[in-house]
Amino acid sequence: NAGVTQTPKFRVLKTGQSMTLLCAQDMNHEYMYWYRQDPGMGLRLIHYSVGEGTTAKGEVPDGYNVSRLKKQNFLLGLESAAPSQTSVYFCASSFTVEVAGEQFFGPGTRLTVL
Amino acid sequence: AQSVTQLDSQVPVFEEAPVELRCNYSSSVSVYLFWYVQYPNQGLQLLLKYLSGSTLVKGINGFEAEFNKSQTSFHLRKPSVHISDTAEYFCAVSTGRDDKIIFGKGTRLHILP
Repeated sequence: NAGVTQTPKFRVLKTGQSMTLLCAQDMNHEYMYWYRQDPGMGLRLIHYSVGEGTTAKGEVPDGYNVSRLKKQNFLLGLESAAPSQTSVYFCASSFTVEVAGEQFFGPGTRLTVL
Repeated sequence: AQSVTQLDSQVPVFEEAPVELRCNYSSSVSVYLFWYVQYPNQGLQLLLKYLSGSTLVKGINGFEAEFNKSQTSFHLRKPSVHISDTAEYFCAVSTGRDDKIIFGKGTRLHILP
């Protein structure tokens, strides 16, 4: 039981390049989330999904897109990376809101945009 | 809408001394409250949670927190810290009625030898 995994762990991009971050969970969770973590800012929600085929915007969605084609996977895309997107990205998952928000986190992806 | 305030961005404490990390929340409805811990270069993991019932909640690694509805607080405590407690601690709140939880900005706990 791997829990929540993220690929890749590290990435360096040049401004304007694109990339996709992959999150996978093997706990049969309905809900999945993408956060970014920046110093002094805590965790900020980018996008989330409440089930296969659904996505919704969080607090800071601009410059990102997501897809949830399979229940176990949640992809985060950067179409044209900017230095402001340098951050650590965390994926999380949870059963449903009825389980009162306990989320399980992946190990993170450290992204640097030059 | 709910919000979470962690009053200290950093807390230094000597090893084996007690510690309290402060968290206040704001919400117009009843809430569920959480403390998460993030060790260096790792993801977050749940330390403890308050859903209902006893206001004193015990978590992993000897931590506990007390829910105080009148003070709208959920402070985290440990009677004697160890060097391995060096981490960032996040308080979080959920109403259980929407799809998200709200995290505070975090408190870095520095253990001094």
